[in-house]
Amino acid sequence: RKEVEQDPGPFNVPEGATVAFNCTYSNSASQSFFWYRQDCRKEPKLLMSVYSSGNEDGRFTAQLNRASQYISLLIRDSKLSDSATYLCVVNGGHSSASKIIFGSGTRLSIRP
Amino acid sequence: NAGVTQTPKFQVLKTGQSMTLQCAQDMNHNSMYWYRQDPGMGLRLIYYSASEGTTDKGEVPNGYNVSRLNKREFSLRLESAAPSQTSVYFCASRDRDRVNTEAFFGQGTRLTVV
Repeated sequence: RKEVEQDPGPFNVPEGATVAFNCTYSNSASQSFFWYRQDCRKEPKLLMSVYSSGNEDGRFTAQLNRASQYISLLIRDSKLSDSATYLCVVNGGHSSASKIIFGSGTRLSIRP
Repeated sequence: NAGVTQTPKFQVLKTGQSMTLQCAQDMNHNSMYWYRQDPGMGLRLIYYSASEGTTDKGEVPNGYNVSRLNKREFSLRLESAAPSQTSVYFCASRDRDRVNTEAFFGQGTRLTVV
C-alpha cells in the first residue's frame, strides 16, 4: 500500500464551482500535513499546511481526520488560475519525522 | 534570495554514464531531499538527509547514491545511468525543527538517459 494515496482525477469543473479532494495516509504517527500545488513542469509550491482543527485560507479549506487518516482540500468559487495539480504531503512519523512523502497528485482543470 | 539551487537544469546521458546532480540551499535548513517525478505522477522520495552527516533511503533509492557534503549541499549521484532513470529530479530543503514547516524546492533537473 502506498503511504499517501490520492484520486488522480482529472477533475474538470466550471469556473465558480466548489471542488473537494481527499487524500489518505497510512502512517498513523504522521504529524505534519500539507497541500502543495504544482503547475505544469514547475516545482511544487506550498498551498497550505493542514492543522488538527482544520484551517482556511481565503477560498481554500483544509481538514484533517486523524481517526480515519485522511486529509481534504476544499476549493470554493474556483478560478481559472486554480487549474493545476494538487499534491497531498505527509511526514513520516516519530522515527522518521523528517521524511516527507508526496501523493501522486490530483489534476484539476477549471473551464470557463 | 537564491533559496534552493539545482544544477544542471538539463542533462542528456548515455546508458552507463555517471553523473552527479548538485543541490545547495542558503536558508540554513537542516533537512534536504531528493525526489524524482515521472510524467503524470507525483514526486517519489529517493533519499533524504535529516541533518548534516546523515542520509536515509526513501521510496526509490536503487541506482542512486547521495552525499550530504555540509549543511548547505546535498548531491545525488547516478553511477551507471539507465533509461528508467529518465525523469525530472527535484531537490528540496526544510527546517526540521518545527512541525508543519514548508519544504522549498529547486527548479528541477530534467534528465534524459538514452
